[in-house]
Amino acid sequence: DTAVSQTPKYLVTQMGNDKSIKCEQNLGHDTMYWYKQDSKKFLKIMFSYNNKELIINETVPNRFSPKSPDKAHLNLHINSLELGDSAVYFCASSQGRDNEQFFGPGTRLTVL
Amino acid sequence: KQEVTQIPAALSVPEGENLVLNCSFTDSAIYNLQWFRQDPGKGLTSLLLIQSSQREQTSGRLNASLDKSSGRSTLYIAASQPGDSATYLCAVINTDKLIFGTGTRLQVFP
Repeated sequence: DTAVSQTPKYLVTQMGNDKSIKCEQNLGHDTMYWYKQDSKKFLKIMFSYNNKELIINETVPNRFSPKSPDKAHLNLHINSLELGDSAVYFCASSQGRDNEQFFGPGTRLTVL
Repeated sequence: KQEVTQIPAALSVPEGENLVLNCSFTDSAIYNLQWFRQDPGKGLTSLLLIQSSQREQTSGRLNASLDKSSGRSTLYIAASQPGDSATYLCAVINTDKLIFGTGTRLQVFP
């Protein structure tokens, strides 16, 4: 009965590879987000989708490409991974924009 | 540009104490404010949401207040317990996104 789930939980990969992280929410929400938590534990918005439409793209390199196949899913694909991409990536969802957000457990990405 | 600051950065208290965590933001044009806790290696758990029209919200031993005009919010934890040990994050919501504070790492010892 997990509300917001992410897969995988851990991802270890080599520099230059391409990888994807998947997110699903069963809360019936219409807005989903990706956040990045860096090594200093600071959380920052990356993308937001409302009803499958991109509404926020927060100066993220174009190696990062989100995709929302439907309102319950938001995936993040990363091309040509770099060392600096190592972080914890959190997915979140809310009903409507500017409302309470619920977070997934995070995906810890390590780029070697 | 909105900036969110939390004071103190770390706090260590004995069990049973009442405590206050502070959050300040530079732009008062916020829609809502949300408090979270994050346990080590875990995701974020939503604690309280205060809408911009509200002054406070309560949930169990937690009480959060909001003063938009002064750009401040406080999270009051009554009768703290070791299980309250975590990092507490405040985040303001405006223009479709959460802007997070720097967090307060709380340790409650028996």
